[in-house]
Amino acid sequence: ETGVTQSPTHLIKTRGQQVTLRCSSQSGHNTVSWYQQALGQGPQFIFQYYREEENGRGNFPPRFSGLQFPNYSSELNVNALELDDSALYLCASSSMGAPDTQYFGPGTRLTVL
Amino acid sequence: LAKTTQPISMDSYEGQEVNITCSHNNIATNDYITWYQQFPSQGPRFIIQGYKTKVTNEVASLFIPADRKSSTLSLPRVSLSDTAVYYCLVFTGNQFYFGTGTSLTVIP
Repeated sequence: ETGVTQSPTHLIKTRGQQVTLRCSSQSGHNTVSWYQQALGQGPQFIFQYYREEENGRGNFPPRFSGLQFPNYSSELNVNALELDDSALYLCASSSMGAPDTQYFGPGTRLTVL
Repeated sequence: LAKTTQPISMDSYEGQEVNITCSHNNIATNDYITWYQQFPSQGPRFIIQGYKTKVTNEVASLFIPADRKSSTLSLPRVSLSDTAVYYCLVFTGNQFYFGTGTSLTVIP
């Protein structure tokens, strides 16, 4: 069984740029959620995708967008990067029947300069 | 809007039982509560999940009182490798809410 994987591991961008982060879900899982975790804080829910549709969204502006593909992998896109977007971005996958049993990837560390 | 709060930090000696409480208001009867362990620069790792009374697995127990305004993660006999940050997670209103996190330090 393959776990959740994310790429890249680390990324450095400058303010105003755009970034795409990728996530491959655990085998057998059809739902992907994304979280932002600032240093020293708990993860904050960005959104969830199920069957290629957004299925719940946290308090994040529209410049945070996502996609889910037919193989259940997912992308998180962030436009017009701000300094406060510097964080660890976590992806979690689950089966829709048990929405809270999420399994997390190792995260992508994004630094915005 | 669900708000989940936890003690900021706890210390425990090796071999002791540790109980970490999460306070959560405004969750519905069937909303699940999940606990995760996180080491620095890693993704959270699933520990246990439940929505009522008591759940036990091979590593922990989860206690949820009838009013469901809190839940308690119980780690039976901690070891040095249990030093980590512990989070509760609540799913309600089609959103996920992580707790503020409890940094557990296990002392030899």
